[in-house]
Amino acid sequence: GAVVSQHPSWVICKSGTSVKIECRSLDFQATTMFWYRQFPKQSLMLMATSNEGSKATYEQGVEKDKFLINHASLTLSTLTVTSAHPEDSSFYICSAGSTGGVRWPQHFGDGTRLSIL
Amino acid sequence: DAKTTQPPSMDCAEGRAANLPCNHSTISGNEYVYWYRQIHSQGPQYIIHGLKNNETNEMASLIITEDRKSSTLILPHATLRDTAVYYCIVISNFGNEKLTFGTGTRLTIIP
Repeated sequence: GAVVSQHPSWVICKSGTSVKIECRSLDFQATTMFWYRQFPKQSLMLMATSNEGSKATYEQGVEKDKFLINHASLTLSTLTVTSAHPEDSSFYICSAGSTGGVRWPQHFGDGTRLSIL
Repeated sequence: DAKTTQPPSMDCAEGRAANLPCNHSTISGNEYVYWYRQIHSQGPQYIIHGLKNNETNEMASLIITEDRKSSTLILPHATLRDTAVYYCIVISNFGNEKLTFGTGTRLTIIP
């Protein structure tokens, strides 16, 4: 089945550091990838929609200058948390939908647990 | 996209069938019902989806009522590994549409 790989799976860093998270679709092409954030005991909240070759679309309340998204190819999207602070600590998850107009369920990565000290 | 309502939690004995309900009374004609689950500290896993007919795959069965206002996900022989939060999502065009996750149902399989 379709696989979405997310890296790293876990990162701990100091406050003020920028952290990059990669999301790859391994066996299909994804024109659209989504980035979610999940705090403990809460549901997934969509942060932004990443479109290949164009600017990402951010949900209300998500700072685009803090959460930089790049979708340079049909198999890779990156999320960079710039100048991370402890309140940015969370579980970040990406998903990818395939191209071609064929109905295809989105598949999710296994998430990145980010801890900012 | 139509809103869904699910019970917050359910228990099921290991080896028995787990039946998870979902209400989606405002679903429109072109909207599908999708089910995902999220095991602790992992990303959501796709389970099954359907439009109006009942569907079955290797993981589960999906029963959609004739009026399409509700559905039931059935795990025929629940195992401890099925303990997870199950999300019912209604959406019209899946691949490139953003998903809105509700609170889901926390299913606990009891040994």
